[in-house]
Amino acid sequence: AQSVTQLDSHVSVSEGTPVLLRCNYSSSYSPSLFWYVQHPNKGLQLLLKYTSAATLVKGINGFEAEFKKSETSFHLTKPSAHMSDAAEYFCVVTERTGGYNKLIFGAGTRLAVHP
Amino acid sequence: AAGVIQSPRHLIKEKRETATLKCYPIPRHDTVYWYQQGPGQDPQFLISFYEKMQSDKGSIPDRFSAQQFSDYHSELNMSSLELGDSALYFCASSVLQGAGSPLHFGNGTRLTVT
Repeated sequence: AQSVTQLDSHVSVSEGTPVLLRCNYSSSYSPSLFWYVQHPNKGLQLLLKYTSAATLVKGINGFEAEFKKSETSFHLTKPSAHMSDAAEYFCVVTERTGGYNKLIFGAGTRLAVHP
Repeated sequence: AAGVIQSPRHLIKEKRETATLKCYPIPRHDTVYWYQQGPGQDPQFLISFYEKMQSDKGSIPDRFSAQQFSDYHSELNMSSLELGDSALYFCASSVLQGAGSPLHFGNGTRLTVT
């Protein structure tokens, strides 16, 4: 079975400094991985996805993530944090069971950005 | 671009009442998912439908039922509501094209049970 571990429940950075949100996964086969962002009282928005193409994936709002099979990691990064990046971030792996997709969510990382 | 539409945005019900949540997927998406997100928690999978048939079932209570209609919209019916049902309920849709198809989420329905 697939699983996702987000290594930090809270991350706090200053505006303009780099962001690193860590995610490790376990999978018995080549997975599909996603990062979603959730702003307070909002729905989940897709930031980026990895589906066995390029290992460095660029997403919206300047975010990117690198798939490292040897480390079973899919960490999310951004060179310079903006106040509007403050939100909850979920690392997600898809599990295909019985021909259908199921999303497996990590526990989430709350990103705080300080002036 | 069209997104997933959920209605209502907010719903307040009393214990033991019933509630119906509606979801309109992105056009041409054939799969609908329902998730429940409690305060400070990650979304929990409830149930999914593919081409109007239930495709998977998660932690959906027996008091809840759902269906997908011929126009692909879906409804989540919740009966005998309990205080613990207070949560944000998300609907998501996708095209079933392998595990790489991302889900597109609606903005959710916030259910408060008093």
